[in-house]
Amino acid sequence: EPEVTQTPSHQVTQMGQEVILRCVPISNHLYFYWYRQILGQKVEFLVSFYNNEISEKSEIFDDQFSVERPDGSNFTLKIRSTKLEDSAMYFCASRATGPRLDNEQFFGPGTRLTVL
Amino acid sequence: AQTVTQSQPEMSVQEAETVTLSCTYDTSENNYYLFWYKQPPSRQMILVIRQEAYKQQNATENRFSVNFQKAAKSFSLKISDSQLGDTAMYFCAFMTSGTYKYIFGTGTRLKVLA
Repeated sequence: EPEVTQTPSHQVTQMGQEVILRCVPISNHLYFYWYRQILGQKVEFLVSFYNNEISEKSEIFDDQFSVERPDGSNFTLKIRSTKLEDSAMYFCASRATGPRLDNEQFFGPGTRLTVL
Repeated sequence: AQTVTQSQPEMSVQEAETVTLSCTYDTSENNYYLFWYKQPPSRQMILVIRQEAYKQQNATENRFSVNFQKAAKSFSLKISDSQLGDTAMYFCAFMTSGTYKYIFGTGTRLKVLA
Protein backbone atom coordinates (compact mmCIF):
# COMPACT_ATOMS: atom_id res chain seq x y z
CA GLU A 1 0.00 0.00 0.00
CA PRO A 2 1.44 3.40 -0.93
CA GLU A 3 2.47 5.59 1.96
CA VAL A 4 3.96 8.97 2.73
CA THR A 5 7.53 8.79 3.97
CA GLN A 6 9.52 11.37 5.89
CA THR A 7 13.21 11.76 6.63
CA PRO A 8 14.85 12.05 9.03
CA SER A 9 12.74 10.56 11.79
CA HIS A 10 14.55 12.71 14.35
CA GLN A 11 16.64 15.82 13.79
CA VAL A 12 18.61 17.61 16.47
CA THR A 13 19.96 21.04 15.65
CA GLN A 14 21.41 24.10 17.30
CA MET A 15 19.39 27.29 17.55
CA GLY A 16 20.01 29.50 14.54
CA GLN A 17 20.86 26.63 12.22
CA GLU A 18 18.96 25.80 9.05
CA VAL A 19 17.11 22.51 8.77
CA ILE A 20 15.43 20.79 5.87
CA LEU A 21 12.75 18.23 6.51
CA ARG A 22 12.00 15.88 3.66
CA CYS A 23 8.84 14.14 2.59
CA VAL A 24 7.99 11.82 -0.27
CA PRO A 25 4.23 12.02 -0.86
CA ILE A 26 2.16 9.28 -2.45
CA SER A 27 3.01 9.31 -6.15
CA ASN A 28 -0.32 10.25 -7.71
CA HIS A 29 -1.22 12.86 -5.11
CA LEU A 30 -1.23 16.51 -6.08
CA TYR A 31 -1.86 18.38 -2.81
CA PHE A 32 0.79 18.50 -0.12
CA TYR A 33 0.70 19.76 3.42
CA TRP A 34 2.90 20.39 6.43
CA TYR A 35 1.56 20.31 9.96
CA ARG A 36 3.29 20.86 13.27
CA GLN A 37 2.61 19.37 16.69
CA ILE A 38 4.37 20.81 19.70
CA LEU A 39 4.68 18.12 22.36
CA GLY A 40 1.42 17.68 24.23
CA GLN A 41 -0.51 20.04 21.99
CA LYS A 42 -2.76 19.74 19.00
CA VAL A 43 -1.71 19.33 15.41
CA GLU A 44 -1.54 22.70 13.64
CA PHE A 45 -1.68 23.47 9.94
CA LEU A 46 1.38 25.18 8.52
CA VAL A 47 1.07 25.26 4.75
CA SER A 48 -0.57 23.67 1.73
CA PHE A 49 1.07 23.33 -1.67
CA TYR A 50 -0.43 22.65 -5.06
CA ASN A 51 0.76 23.05 -8.62
CA ASN A 52 4.20 24.13 -7.47
CA GLU A 53 3.02 26.96 -5.31
CA ILE A 54 1.73 27.66 -1.85
CA SER A 55 -2.07 27.60 -1.81
CA GLU A 56 -2.49 28.58 1.81
CA LYS A 57 -0.31 29.22 4.82
CA SER A 58 -1.00 29.83 8.48
CA GLU A 59 0.30 32.66 10.61
CA ILE A 60 2.87 30.25 12.02
CA PHE A 61 4.44 29.95 8.56
CA ASP A 62 6.48 33.12 8.62
CA ASP A 63 9.49 34.18 6.56
CA GLN A 64 11.69 31.64 8.34
CA PHE A 65 9.79 28.82 6.66
CA SER A 66 9.77 27.79 3.02
CA VAL A 67 8.59 24.80 1.03
CA GLU A 68 9.48 23.42 -2.33
CA ARG A 69 9.16 20.39 -4.52
CA PRO A 70 12.61 20.30 -6.06
CA ASP A 71 12.41 17.18 -8.19
CA GLY A 72 8.79 16.17 -8.64
CA SER A 73 8.87 13.58 -5.89
CA ASN A 74 10.30 15.15 -2.74
CA PHE A 75 8.46 17.86 -0.83
CA THR A 76 10.62 19.78 1.61
CA LEU A 77 10.12 22.15 4.51
CA LYS A 78 13.02 24.44 5.27
CA ILE A 79 13.43 26.43 8.46
CA ARG A 80 16.14 29.02 7.88
CA SER A 81 17.15 29.94 11.40
CA THR A 82 15.67 27.61 13.96
CA LYS A 83 14.36 28.83 17.29
CA LEU A 84 13.81 26.86 20.47
CA GLU A 85 10.05 27.10 19.92
CA ASP A 86 10.39 25.31 16.57
CA SER A 87 10.95 22.09 18.51
CA ALA A 88 8.00 19.92 17.50
CA MET A 89 6.86 16.97 15.47
CA TYR A 90 6.43 17.92 11.83
CA PHE A 91 4.00 15.92 9.76
CA CYS A 92 3.83 15.87 6.00
CA ALA A 93 0.57 14.85 4.34
CA SER A 94 -0.62 14.40 0.79
CA ARG A 95 -4.00 14.20 -0.83
CA ALA A 96 -5.36 13.02 -4.15
CA THR A 97 -7.68 15.23 -6.11
CA GLY A 98 -11.02 14.44 -7.61
CA PRO A 99 -14.65 15.46 -7.78
CA ARG A 100 -15.47 14.14 -4.33
CA LEU A 101 -14.60 15.96 -1.16
CA ASP A 102 -13.73 12.89 0.84
CA ASN A 103 -10.16 12.62 -0.34
CA GLU A 104 -8.52 12.34 3.01
CA GLN A 105 -4.98 13.40 3.69
CA PHE A 106 -2.45 10.65 4.21
CA PHE A 107 0.09 11.44 6.88
CA GLY A 108 3.72 10.53 7.05
CA PRO A 109 5.22 9.19 10.29
CA GLY A 110 6.57 12.61 11.22
CA THR A 111 9.97 14.15 11.85
CA ARG A 112 10.75 15.06 15.41
CA LEU A 113 12.75 18.28 15.44
CA THR A 114 14.68 19.20 18.57
CA VAL A 115 16.28 22.64 18.71
CA LEU A 116 18.92 23.08 21.41
CA ALA B 1 -13.07 30.96 11.20
CA GLN B 2 -13.64 27.30 11.84
CA THR B 3 -12.90 25.86 15.26
CA VAL B 4 -12.94 22.35 16.69
CA THR B 5 -13.44 21.72 20.39
CA GLN B 6 -12.78 18.54 22.33
CA SER B 7 -13.86 19.12 25.89
CA GLN B 8 -12.50 15.91 27.41
CA PRO B 9 -8.71 16.09 27.83
CA GLU B 10 -8.53 12.57 29.27
CA MET B 11 -10.79 9.57 29.53
CA SER B 12 -10.46 6.00 30.64
CA VAL B 13 -12.53 2.91 29.96
CA GLN B 14 -12.41 -0.70 31.02
CA GLU B 15 -11.46 -3.23 28.41
CA ALA B 16 -14.53 -4.52 26.49
CA GLU B 17 -16.62 -1.55 27.58
CA THR B 18 -17.93 1.28 25.39
CA VAL B 19 -16.69 4.85 25.48
CA THR B 20 -17.80 8.02 23.70
CA LEU B 21 -15.47 10.90 22.88
CA SER B 22 -17.09 14.23 22.18
CA CYS B 23 -16.28 16.84 19.56
CA THR B 24 -18.03 20.03 18.57
CA TYR B 25 -17.14 22.39 15.79
CA ASP B 26 -18.10 25.76 14.47
CA THR B 27 -18.41 26.67 10.82
CA SER B 28 -20.59 28.59 8.41
CA GLU B 29 -19.75 26.18 5.60
CA ASN B 30 -22.29 23.72 4.29
CA ASN B 31 -19.94 21.28 2.58
CA TYR B 32 -17.30 19.78 4.80
CA TYR B 33 -15.90 16.55 6.15
CA LEU B 34 -15.21 15.42 9.68
CA PHE B 35 -12.59 12.94 10.77
CA TRP B 36 -11.35 11.14 13.83
CA TYR B 37 -7.65 10.39 13.97
CA LYS B 38 -5.87 8.15 16.43
CA GLN B 39 -2.35 8.97 17.56
CA PRO B 40 -0.67 6.16 19.51
CA PRO B 41 2.60 6.70 21.40
CA SER B 42 4.49 6.33 18.12
CA ARG B 43 2.80 9.64 17.19
CA GLN B 44 1.74 8.36 13.78
CA MET B 45 -1.59 9.87 12.68
CA ILE B 46 -4.02 7.06 11.85
CA LEU B 47 -7.43 7.70 10.33
CA VAL B 48 -10.18 6.05 12.36
CA ILE B 49 -13.36 7.19 10.67
CA ARG B 50 -14.76 10.01 8.56
CA GLN B 51 -18.15 11.56 7.93
CA GLU B 52 -19.43 13.56 4.99
CA ALA B 53 -21.53 16.51 6.14
CA TYR B 54 -24.10 15.95 3.39
CA LYS B 55 -24.80 12.41 4.58
CA GLN B 56 -27.35 11.99 7.34
CA GLN B 57 -26.36 8.40 8.03
CA ASN B 58 -23.72 8.04 10.71
CA ALA B 59 -20.47 6.46 9.61
CA THR B 60 -19.41 3.11 11.05
CA GLU B 61 -16.10 1.25 10.86
CA ASN B 62 -16.14 -2.02 12.76
CA ARG B 63 -16.05 -1.11 16.47
CA PHE B 64 -15.98 2.61 15.73
CA SER B 65 -19.04 4.70 14.98
CA VAL B 66 -19.96 8.34 15.05
CA ASN B 67 -22.97 10.31 16.16
CA PHE B 68 -23.12 13.22 13.75
CA GLN B 69 -25.58 15.95 14.66
CA LYS B 70 -25.23 18.59 11.97
CA ALA B 71 -27.61 21.14 13.45
CA ALA B 72 -25.86 20.92 16.80
CA LYS B 73 -22.43 20.81 15.11
CA SER B 74 -21.52 17.77 17.11
CA PHE B 75 -19.45 14.77 16.02
CA SER B 76 -18.83 12.21 18.74
CA LEU B 77 -16.89 8.97 18.41
CA LYS B 78 -18.12 5.78 20.02
CA ILE B 79 -15.70 2.93 20.56
CA SER B 80 -17.38 -0.37 21.35
CA ASP B 81 -15.70 -3.39 22.92
CA SER B 82 -12.66 -1.29 23.82
CA GLN B 83 -9.30 -2.98 23.42
CA LEU B 84 -5.95 -2.24 25.04
CA GLY B 85 -4.65 -1.24 21.60
CA ASP B 86 -7.19 1.58 21.50
CA THR B 87 -5.12 3.45 24.09
CA ALA B 88 -4.04 6.59 22.28
CA MET B 89 -4.66 10.26 21.74
CA TYR B 90 -7.75 10.88 19.61
CA PHE B 91 -8.09 14.01 17.50
CA CYS B 92 -11.25 15.28 15.89
CA ALA B 93 -10.60 17.13 12.63
CA PHE B 94 -12.59 19.29 10.26
CA MET B 95 -11.90 19.78 6.57
CA THR B 96 -13.57 22.41 4.40
CA SER B 97 -14.24 22.07 0.72
CA GLY B 98 -12.43 25.31 -0.01
CA THR B 99 -8.95 24.85 1.39
CA TYR B 100 -8.94 21.13 2.19
CA LYS B 101 -6.73 21.73 5.19
CA TYR B 102 -7.40 19.99 8.47
CA ILE B 103 -8.37 21.91 11.57
CA PHE B 104 -7.75 19.73 14.59
CA GLY B 105 -9.17 19.76 18.08
CA THR B 106 -6.93 19.63 21.13
CA GLY B 107 -7.35 15.89 21.50
CA THR B 108 -8.64 13.41 24.07
CA ARG B 109 -6.19 11.02 25.68
CA LEU B 110 -7.95 7.66 26.02
CA LYS B 111 -6.64 4.95 28.26
CA VAL B 112 -8.11 1.46 28.10
CA LEU B 113 -7.73 -0.37 31.39
CA ALA B 114 -7.22 -4.12 31.66
